Amino acid sequence: GEDVEQSLFLSVREGDSSVINCTYTDSSSTYLYWYKQEPGAGLQLLTYIFSNMDMKQDQRLTVLLNKKDKHLSLRIADTQTGDSAIYFCAEKGVYGNKLVFGAGTILRVKS
Amino acid sequence: GAVVSQHPSRVICKSGTSVKIECRSLDFQATTMFWYRQFPKQSLMLMATSNEGSKATYEQGVEKDKFLINHASLTLSTLTVTSAHPEDSSFYICSADTASGNTEAFFGQGTRLTVV
Repeated sequence: GEDVEQSLFLSVREGDSSVINCTYTDSSSTYLYWYKQEPGAGLQLLTYIFSNMDMKQDQRLTVLLNKKDKHLSLRIADTQTGDSAIYFCAEKGVYGNKLVFGAGTILRVKS
Repeated sequence: GAVVSQHPSRVICKSGTSVKIECRSLDFQATTMFWYRQFPKQSLMLMATSNEGSKATYEQGVEKDKFLINHASLTLSTLTVTSAHPEDSSFYICSADTASGNTEAFFGQGTRLTVV
């Protein structure tokens, strides 16, 4: 079945860039997503990328997709303390609207 | 973006009782809603997919008689945890899609269930 993997933890200093990585196995993925979850809250969609794109930029966020290696990354420029949260990548396959999530990466930003 | 409202945000119940969680799409019609469960420091596990007017499709290992899902209208799906036990304590999150093929899934704010 589909599988999505992420690194578990990332610590950066305020003002630095953060890069969160994700790998997936489903070669038929159509869309790939990044969600942010703050403590005790639901998921906030940050950005998504269509599988035929290799890069998408949205303000401080840059998503890179290497479809050949099935590797997705999220870069947060000028990371702020408010960016501290858990970040989930997720993929959606061709069939149905089901999302498969990675385990989440805890981002800790030190001031 | 579209808004999905989940209620209640927190609930504490006694073992053996049933708890109902509501998921509403506030400004769009949701043909499909998804129910997820999240254990502490873990990812979201899809429990079931519900389509308006039909029976829910449960993922392997999820007891359909334990977790009753009803999607009676295009704006409301409910999850009822029946005969709750402490091991059912968890964070439950719903998401809603609009039409088939929509790129975005909109999530509710989640419900923290504690069974004592």
